[in-house]
Amino acid sequence: QITLKESGPTLMKPTQTLTLTCTFSGFSLSTSGVGVGWIRQPPGKALEWLALIFWNDNKYYSPSLKSRLTITKDTSKNQVVLTMTNMDPVDTATYYCAHRLHTGVKAYDYWGQGTLVTVSS
Amino acid sequence: QSVLTQPPSVSGAPGQRVTISCTGSSSNIGSYDVHWYQQLPGTAPKLLIYGNSNRPSGVPDRFSGSKSGTSASLAITGLQAEDEADYYCQSYDSSLSAWVFGGGTRLTVL
Repeated sequence: QITLKESGPTLMKPTQTLTLTCTFSGFSLSTSGVGVGWIRQPPGKALEWLALIFWNDNKYYSPSLKSRLTITKDTSKNQVVLTMTNMDPVDTATYYCAHRLHTGVKAYDYWGQGTLVTVSS
Repeated sequence: QSVLTQPPSVSGAPGQRVTISCTGSSSNIGSYDVHWYQQLPGTAPKLLIYGNSNRPSGVPDRFSGSKSGTSASLAITGLQAEDEADYYCQSYDSSLSAWVFGGGTRLTVL
Protein backbone atom coordinates (compact mmCIF):
# COMPACT_ATOMS: atom_id res chain seq x y z
CA GLN A 1 0.00 0.00 0.00
CA ILE A 2 1.28 3.40 -1.01
CA THR A 3 1.77 6.07 1.64
CA LEU A 4 3.48 9.45 1.62
CA LYS A 5 4.25 11.85 4.43
CA GLU A 6 5.58 15.38 4.34
CA SER A 7 7.94 16.77 6.96
CA GLY A 8 9.65 20.08 7.54
CA PRO A 9 9.43 23.32 9.47
CA THR A 10 6.04 24.66 10.47
CA LEU A 11 7.14 28.26 10.99
CA MET A 12 9.54 30.28 8.91
CA LYS A 13 10.70 33.86 8.64
CA PRO A 14 10.66 35.86 5.40
CA THR A 15 13.73 35.35 3.15
CA GLN A 16 14.53 31.95 4.66
CA THR A 17 14.84 28.80 2.55
CA LEU A 18 12.22 26.08 3.02
CA THR A 19 13.24 22.44 2.84
CA LEU A 20 10.46 19.89 2.78
CA THR A 21 10.93 16.14 2.73
CA CYS A 22 8.45 13.63 1.36
CA THR A 23 9.04 10.15 2.74
CA PHE A 24 7.13 7.43 0.98
CA SER A 25 6.55 3.69 1.02
CA GLY A 26 4.85 1.14 -1.17
CA PHE A 27 6.67 2.13 -4.36
CA SER A 28 10.16 2.95 -5.60
CA LEU A 29 11.32 6.01 -7.46
CA SER A 30 13.74 3.78 -9.32
CA THR A 31 10.82 2.02 -11.02
CA SER A 32 10.16 3.10 -14.58
CA GLY A 33 7.20 5.48 -14.88
CA VAL A 34 6.99 6.56 -11.25
CA GLY A 35 6.96 10.18 -10.14
CA VAL A 36 6.41 12.33 -7.07
CA GLY A 37 5.04 15.84 -7.17
CA TRP A 38 4.49 18.74 -4.82
CA ILE A 39 1.29 20.74 -4.61
CA ARG A 40 0.44 23.50 -2.16
CA GLN A 41 -2.76 25.12 -0.89
CA PRO A 42 -2.87 28.49 0.88
CA PRO A 43 -5.48 28.64 3.65
CA GLY A 44 -8.95 28.81 2.11
CA LYS A 45 -7.58 28.86 -1.43
CA ALA A 46 -7.13 26.54 -4.38
CA LEU A 47 -4.51 23.90 -5.08
CA GLU A 48 -1.35 25.03 -6.87
CA TRP A 49 1.05 22.64 -8.61
CA LEU A 50 4.71 23.27 -7.75
CA ALA A 51 7.06 20.59 -9.03
CA LEU A 52 7.37 17.01 -10.24
CA ILE A 53 10.25 14.54 -10.45
CA PHE A 54 10.24 11.22 -12.30
CA TRP A 55 12.16 7.98 -11.91
CA ASN A 56 14.53 9.03 -14.69
CA ASP A 57 15.36 12.27 -12.82
CA ASN A 58 13.39 14.44 -15.24
CA LYS A 59 12.19 17.46 -13.31
CA TYR A 60 9.40 19.93 -13.96
CA TYR A 61 8.66 23.20 -12.19
CA SER A 62 5.87 25.73 -12.02
CA PRO A 63 7.01 28.51 -14.35
CA SER A 64 6.02 31.20 -11.87
CA LEU A 65 8.15 29.65 -9.12
CA LYS A 66 10.87 27.95 -11.11
CA SER A 67 13.63 30.32 -10.02
CA ARG A 68 12.93 29.50 -6.37
CA LEU A 69 12.33 25.75 -6.49
CA THR A 70 14.56 22.71 -6.52
CA ILE A 71 13.28 19.13 -6.42
CA THR A 72 15.55 16.16 -5.81
CA LYS A 73 15.17 12.49 -5.01
CA ASP A 74 17.03 10.02 -2.82
CA THR A 75 16.01 6.63 -4.10
CA SER A 76 17.83 4.74 -1.36
CA LYS A 77 15.92 6.60 1.34
CA ASN A 78 12.58 6.66 -0.51
CA GLN A 79 12.51 10.43 -0.20
CA VAL A 80 11.87 13.46 -2.36
CA VAL A 81 13.04 16.87 -1.20
CA LEU A 82 11.65 20.23 -2.26
CA THR A 83 13.50 23.44 -1.49
CA MET A 84 11.99 26.88 -1.94
CA THR A 85 14.15 29.93 -1.49
CA ASN A 86 13.28 33.43 -0.33
CA MET A 87 10.10 32.52 1.51
CA ASP A 88 7.42 35.20 1.85
CA PRO A 89 4.19 35.38 3.85
CA VAL A 90 2.26 34.64 0.62
CA ASP A 91 3.95 31.24 0.61
CA THR A 92 2.03 30.30 3.74
CA ALA A 93 0.23 27.12 2.74
CA THR A 94 -0.28 23.44 3.30
CA TYR A 95 2.28 21.62 1.20
CA TYR A 96 1.40 18.17 -0.16
CA CYS A 97 3.49 15.55 -1.90
CA ALA A 98 1.75 13.03 -4.12
CA HIS A 99 2.48 9.94 -6.25
CA ARG A 100 2.01 10.09 -10.00
CA LEU A 101 2.63 7.73 -12.86
CA HIS A 102 4.06 8.77 -16.22
CA THR A 103 1.70 6.42 -18.05
CA GLY A 104 -1.72 4.99 -17.33
CA VAL A 105 -3.22 6.88 -14.42
CA LYS A 106 -1.37 10.11 -15.14
CA ALA A 107 -2.88 11.84 -12.15
CA TYR A 108 -1.94 12.30 -8.50
CA ASP A 109 -3.45 9.10 -7.15
CA TYR A 110 -1.94 9.01 -3.67
CA TRP A 111 -1.41 12.05 -1.46
CA GLY A 112 0.35 12.75 1.80
CA GLN A 113 -1.57 14.33 4.65
CA GLY A 114 0.08 17.68 4.02
CA THR A 115 2.15 19.95 6.22
CA LEU A 116 1.24 23.54 7.04
CA VAL A 117 4.06 26.01 6.63
CA THR A 118 3.52 29.50 8.04
CA VAL A 119 5.77 32.37 6.99
CA SER A 120 5.77 35.29 9.38
CA SER A 121 8.19 37.77 10.79
CA GLN B 1 -6.75 33.43 -11.46
CA SER B 2 -6.61 29.86 -12.75
CA VAL B 3 -6.58 28.99 -16.45
CA LEU B 4 -9.20 26.36 -15.63
CA THR B 5 -12.46 28.00 -14.60
CA GLN B 6 -14.85 26.34 -12.16
CA PRO B 7 -17.98 27.75 -10.51
CA PRO B 8 -17.15 28.74 -6.93
CA SER B 9 -20.09 26.84 -5.54
CA VAL B 10 -22.89 24.46 -6.41
CA SER B 11 -25.57 22.93 -4.24
CA GLY B 12 -28.18 20.23 -4.34
CA ALA B 13 -30.56 18.31 -2.15
CA PRO B 14 -29.91 14.72 -1.10
CA GLY B 15 -30.67 12.32 -3.92
CA GLN B 16 -30.37 14.97 -6.62
CA ARG B 17 -27.86 15.20 -9.45
CA VAL B 18 -25.34 18.02 -9.68
CA THR B 19 -22.70 18.86 -12.23
CA ILE B 20 -19.50 20.86 -11.86
CA SER B 21 -17.98 22.41 -14.94
CA CYS B 22 -14.34 23.07 -15.73
CA THR B 23 -13.70 25.38 -18.66
CA GLY B 24 -10.33 25.78 -20.28
CA SER B 25 -8.81 26.29 -23.70
CA SER B 26 -7.11 24.52 -26.57
CA SER B 27 -3.78 24.60 -24.75
CA ASN B 28 -5.08 22.61 -21.79
CA ILE B 29 -8.40 20.74 -21.73
CA GLY B 30 -8.66 20.85 -25.49
CA SER B 31 -5.45 18.85 -25.82
CA TYR B 32 -4.92 16.97 -22.57
CA ASP B 33 -6.70 14.75 -20.09
CA VAL B 34 -8.69 16.15 -17.19
CA HIS B 35 -8.58 14.75 -13.69
CA TRP B 36 -10.90 15.50 -10.77
CA TYR B 37 -10.13 15.54 -7.06
CA GLN B 38 -12.39 15.62 -4.02
CA GLN B 39 -11.21 17.40 -0.88
CA LEU B 40 -13.26 16.79 2.22
CA PRO B 41 -12.97 19.44 4.94
CA GLY B 42 -9.60 19.35 6.65
CA THR B 43 -8.21 16.50 4.57
CA ALA B 44 -5.88 15.98 1.62
CA PRO B 45 -7.32 15.83 -1.89
CA LYS B 46 -8.40 12.44 -3.19
CA LEU B 47 -8.36 11.36 -6.83
CA LEU B 48 -11.94 10.99 -8.00
CA ILE B 49 -11.73 10.78 -11.81
CA TYR B 50 -8.69 10.37 -14.04
CA GLY B 51 -8.27 10.51 -17.78
CA ASN B 52 -11.52 12.46 -18.23
CA SER B 53 -13.90 9.69 -17.28
CA ASN B 54 -12.17 6.86 -15.40
CA ARG B 55 -12.86 6.06 -11.77
CA PRO B 56 -10.12 4.70 -9.51
CA SER B 57 -10.97 1.58 -7.60
CA GLY B 58 -13.24 2.35 -4.67
CA VAL B 59 -14.86 5.48 -6.10
CA PRO B 60 -18.63 5.00 -6.30
CA ASP B 61 -20.20 5.02 -9.75
CA ARG B 62 -22.34 7.95 -8.60
CA PHE B 63 -19.35 10.01 -9.73
CA SER B 64 -18.72 10.38 -13.45
CA GLY B 65 -16.61 12.61 -15.66
CA SER B 66 -16.81 13.76 -19.23
CA LYS B 67 -14.96 16.05 -21.60
CA SER B 68 -16.01 17.86 -24.74
CA GLY B 69 -13.81 20.28 -26.60
CA THR B 70 -12.28 22.71 -24.13
CA SER B 71 -14.61 21.89 -21.23
CA ALA B 72 -15.02 19.05 -18.79
CA SER B 73 -17.70 18.15 -16.29
CA LEU B 74 -18.02 16.15 -13.12
CA ALA B 75 -21.45 14.73 -12.39
CA ILE B 76 -22.60 13.42 -9.05
CA THR B 77 -25.87 11.51 -8.88
CA GLY B 78 -27.78 10.41 -5.81
CA LEU B 79 -26.26 13.23 -3.80
CA GLN B 80 -25.32 12.32 -0.24
CA ALA B 81 -24.38 14.44 2.75
CA GLU B 82 -20.89 12.92 2.68
CA ASP B 83 -20.33 14.40 -0.78
CA GLU B 84 -20.11 17.88 0.73
CA ALA B 85 -16.56 18.90 -0.20
CA ASP B 86 -14.40 20.98 -2.51
CA TYR B 87 -13.85 19.62 -6.01
CA TYR B 88 -10.93 20.49 -8.26
CA CYS B 89 -10.25 19.79 -11.91
CA GLN B 90 -6.69 19.45 -13.20
CA SER B 91 -5.02 19.29 -16.58
CA TYR B 92 -1.78 20.15 -18.35
CA ASP B 93 -1.27 23.46 -20.11
CA SER B 94 1.17 23.51 -23.01
CA SER B 95 1.33 27.30 -23.16
CA LEU B 96 2.45 27.44 -19.54
CA SER B 97 4.36 24.14 -19.67
CA ALA B 98 2.77 23.36 -16.35
CA TRP B 99 0.14 21.23 -14.73
CA VAL B 100 -2.76 23.40 -13.59
CA PHE B 101 -5.68 23.14 -11.21
CA GLY B 102 -9.03 24.82 -11.40
CA GLY B 103 -10.06 27.29 -8.73
CA GLY B 104 -12.19 24.69 -6.99
CA THR B 105 -15.93 24.29 -6.46
CA ARG B 106 -17.55 23.94 -3.07
CA LEU B 107 -20.45 21.50 -3.10
CA THR B 108 -23.10 22.05 -0.47
CA VAL B 109 -25.66 19.36 0.21
CA LEU B 110 -28.81 21.14 1.31
